[in-house]
This record gives sequence, C-alpha cells and structure tokens, in this order.
Amino acid sequence: NAGVTQTPKFQVLKTGQSMTLQCAQDMNHNSMYWYRQDPGMGLRLIYYSASEGTTDKGEVPNGYNVSRLNKREFSLRLESAAPSQTSVYFCASNLQGESETQYFGPGTRLLVL
Amino acid sequence: QKEVEQDPGPLSVPEGAIVSLNCTYSNSAFQYFMWYRQYSRKGPELLMYTYSSGNKEDGRFTAQVDKSSKYISLFIRDSQPSDSATYLCAMSGSARQLTFGSGTQLTVLP
Repeated sequence: NAGVTQTPKFQVLKTGQSMTLQCAQDMNHNSMYWYRQDPGMGLRLIYYSASEGTTDKGEVPNGYNVSRLNKREFSLRLESAAPSQTSVYFCASNLQGESETQYFGPGTRLLVL
Repeated sequence: QKEVEQDPGPLSVPEGAIVSLNCTYSNSAFQYFMWYRQYSRKGPELLMYTYSSGNKEDGRFTAQVDKSSKYISLFIRDSQPSDSATYLCAMSGSARQLTFGSGTQLTVLP
C-alpha cells in the first residue's frame, strides 16, 4: 500500500515550457487535490476533484489545468511555465463524506527559470 | 487578513519541554480541525483530528479547540528531537475544503 505517489520528485523548467505532474493513490479515495506550498504562505489549493469525472478550481487555479484520469490518478499540467510557479506541489486524497482528513504525497519540487 | 493565522516561529525548545502551538481563525463555519506535521522535504502527515470544540489526547499530543474564541492549540509534552518539524494547522467547514495555516517551524534541542 503506497498511499499517494507523485512523479517527478524534482523538475527544472525554462519559462514557457510545459509539463505534467502526475499523482496516483491506491487507497480507493474518491476525492483528490493539488496544492502548492510557498514559504510563509502555507498550502494553497490549486484544483480539486471531488469524484471521478469532476474537477473544480481552488484558491489559485490560474496557469494550471487538471485531469482526473480515473479514480486513482489526478494530473496537474502547466501549459506555459512562469517563474511565479516555482514551488513545491503536493497531491492529496481523501474519502470525502467519510473523513475530512487528507493524505498527502511526498511532493514535487519545481524550479522555473 | 488571512482566514487562518499561525505564528511561523521558528520555535526552539530544549528536549523534555512542553510545546504549545496555536492558530486563530476568522471563519465561524469551520468545524473540523486538524494538525499536520511536516518533516523537511516531506509531505504533511496527519497528527491530530478534532471535530467541533473540546480536547483530544493521543500519547504526548493534545489538541484543543475553542470555537467561541476561534482558537486552536496543539500541546506536545516531553518533547523529543524527533518532534522537530513544521506543524501546520488546518480546518474546514461545510465546503469540505481545507484551509491551512502557514506553519510553525519547531526545533527540539537535545
């Protein structure tokens, strides 16, 4: 039981490049989330998916897109990376309706030059 | 003003000390309260979960919620060097989305 996994662990991009961050969970959770964590800002919600087939914007969605590929996988795409998107990205999941607590992956460190 | 305010620290204490970590919030709709622990370069992991007001104890950790004052606390007794981490408070209401504090960095010195 791996919990929540994320790939890659670390990535360097140039401004304007695109990339997709991958997330998968094996806990049969219905809801999945993408956060970014910046110094002094805590964790801010980018997008979430309450259930397979649905996605919704969070607090800071601009510059990102998401895809809920199936119940297990939720990807985050940066179409044209900007230096302001340099951050640590965390994916999380939970069984919404059963518990409020979310389980987090190990994170992806992204540096945009 | 942020919905959830948390003193960022850093907080440094000697081993064995009692540690008090706190958050205040402004949204009266919050009813689920959590504390997460985050080690350096790792993802947050759930430490304590409380629904509504009251106290909850788990080993050396005690979580308190005072909804009338919009104030939550985490106490760590007999602190250990392994407790050195960033502690994040988090809370949610009916929207079921978590709002996080900015985190308090704690160092427990041997």
